[in-house]
Amino acid sequence: GENVEQHPSTLSVQEGDSAVIKCTYSDSASNYFPWYKQELGKRPQLIIDIRSNVGEKKDQRIAVTLNKTAKHFSLHITETQPEDSAVYFCAAPRAGSQGNLIFGKGTKLSVKP
Amino acid sequence: NAGVMQNPRHLVRRRGQEARLRCSPMKGHSHVYWYRQLPEEGLKFMVYLQKENIIDESGMPKERFSAEFPKEGPSILRIQQVVRGDSAAYFCASSQEQMPDTGELFFGEGSRLTVL
Repeated sequence: GENVEQHPSTLSVQEGDSAVIKCTYSDSASNYFPWYKQELGKRPQLIIDIRSNVGEKKDQRIAVTLNKTAKHFSLHITETQPEDSAVYFCAAPRAGSQGNLIFGKGTKLSVKP
Repeated sequence: NAGVMQNPRHLVRRRGQEARLRCSPMKGHSHVYWYRQLPEEGLKFMVYLQKENIIDESGMPKERFSAEFPKEGPSILRIQQVVRGDSAAYFCASSQEQMPDTGELFFGEGSRLTVL
């Protein structure tokens, strides 16, 4: 089945710097890759997603890139702010499933002011 | 349009008791998913349901755990004879269409189960 590996598990950056989180997946048929942000004690919320027919998608300070050949996708946050501090999860569809997502183990991002 | 509603938000049970967690999906959503999150860990898929049907329960433990999504009313995740290892946050999510074809997964605020 699908296996999603995410790294790093923790990331600390200075305010204004960029942050990059990477995920790899195993099922070459996967075609949808979302990123969720979870603040402490809160629900996970979708921040950006990408489908396999594009290589990059951008939304203001957030971008996601996809390399289908290498089977990895990355989240890029530029000009980080303290409110970006949270746990970020990548996900990919579970192979052969009828619609559930397999999540990475998460990256705890800390942005220091 | 209210989001995904879960209750109770916090539940404390003693070992051997039963826990019932409820989830009302967003209006118009007919696909419900349950995930478990242990402290400092990711979201582990448990079960995917549509109205009156279990579509995929491959993530559910074989014993003590069950889920339903009746024609009327919320989806319920039931844990019988709870043990300390069941302590976790249980998140419900819903989608309008079958994932990942369209749309996003909307999560509730979670139900935090503590087993004493």
